Amino acid sequence: DAEITQSPRHKITETGRQVTLACHQTWNHNNMFWYRQDLGHGLRLIHYSYGVQDTNKGEVSDGYSVSRSNTEDLPLTLESAASSQTSVYFCASSEGYNEQFFGPGTRLTVL
Amino acid sequence: AQSVTQLGSHVSVSEGALVLLRCNYSSSVPPYLFWYVQYPNQGLQLLLKYTSAATLVKGINGFEAEFKKSETSFHLTKPSAHMSDAAEYFCAVSHSNYQLIWGAGTKLIIKP
Repeated sequence: DAEITQSPRHKITETGRQVTLACHQTWNHNNMFWYRQDLGHGLRLIHYSYGVQDTNKGEVSDGYSVSRSNTEDLPLTLESAASSQTSVYFCASSEGYNEQFFGPGTRLTVL
Repeated sequence: AQSVTQLGSHVSVSEGALVLLRCNYSSSVPPYLFWYVQYPNQGLQLLLKYTSAATLVKGINGFEAEFKKSETSFHLTKPSAHMSDAAEYFCAVSHSNYQLIWGAGTKLIIKP
């Protein structure tokens, strides 16, 4: 069965370190999205991609970057982790206007 | 700009009672509409979707939703709540750029 996976599931890091969160989907979807979820803020879009070599900034992109070198993967990099980036991160994929399929999430703690 | 409003950040019902979670959207054209469920420490899972076919949409776990264009609403219902329905529910509407516009979520609490 097709799926979308995220790794690691939990990560603790220190302020100032670079961190990369992996997202891999086997749906062969063109669209991929990164969200963060915080209490009181719901889901907020960080970055998104509509295909290989395409990346776009979402509403909360400062301090984050993504790259899309193939259809399956959209890694999210925190260039210099800050305590404000402690959150749960979700990756999702979709095709066209259809529903987004979500990964299980990565819980990131920045100390 | 498009927006999605979910009335009530928390809704509490007794086991066996009707579940009604409200969602209103603003959109100039008939959109695609979605309801997702999120159980604790899990990702979001699609409950059901409206894609301009039947206005009454049936989903998983006994949930259904009715698209009412005149009221710009897409409320989620279930006739009889079960303890396992305790979760957070999100309403979303499709945007012209393939993104989803999300509601803030409603946490459903089931009282025994």
